[in-house]
Amino acid sequence: GESVGLHLPTLSVQEGDNSIINCAYSNSASDYFIWYKQESGKGPQFIIDIRSNMDKRQGQRVTVLLNKTVKHLSLQIAATQPGDSAVYFCAENNYGGSQGNLIFGKGTKLSVKP
Amino acid sequence: KAGVTQTPRYLIKTRGQQVTLSCSPISGHRSVSWYQQTPGQGLQFLFEYFSETQRNKGNFPGRFSGRQFSNSRSEMNVSTLELGDSALYLCASKGAGGRGEQYFGPGTRLTVT
Repeated sequence: GESVGLHLPTLSVQEGDNSIINCAYSNSASDYFIWYKQESGKGPQFIIDIRSNMDKRQGQRVTVLLNKTVKHLSLQIAATQPGDSAVYFCAENNYGGSQGNLIFGKGTKLSVKP
Repeated sequence: KAGVTQTPRYLIKTRGQQVTLSCSPISGHRSVSWYQQTPGQGLQFLFEYFSETQRNKGNFPGRFSGRQFSNSRSEMNVSTLELGDSALYLCASKGAGGRGEQYFGPGTRLTVT
């Protein structure tokens, strides 16, 4: 799509399988993290967020895990569907999310095979 | 509730010109942030406005500027356009009360020739 990078890491999964998308963040002072999904030609869509006082948070079919020791974030999508095909971005913020300056990762392209 | 809207959706400009992009946030949201998205650099934060004041600023040259009006609508301006300014410009609005998620508009695709 027009809004994705040319050399994004790609994850290809079979429909119905679980997907795990990983992200390494850069700032040890970051205390708020957020995952976005971006489909071709659209703006990023909020999926789930987590604050640094938590290490796991669950939503509908999605789970975010935070490991502050190694500055690592992951997004797990259960029973992946073709509609989940998109580019996924993690983002971080060091104001607890109260201010709007998100620092985004490079993104991972998820491709779901029917 | 209507989402974030951005106008225009597509724009073609020539090097050296200037451009103004507009963003209307979700009703009740007072924070508007702007981002530039390119294939090479990904999504990069430009600036954030809150209650008509710039609250945060990213690492972009002074040719990039913005403002916010009393109704929370925001504009960003790029002067003396360069080829490298070709990008998707996204704005996002955020509610108050410590909730962190920002809601993005569809973006304005700017092409500089």
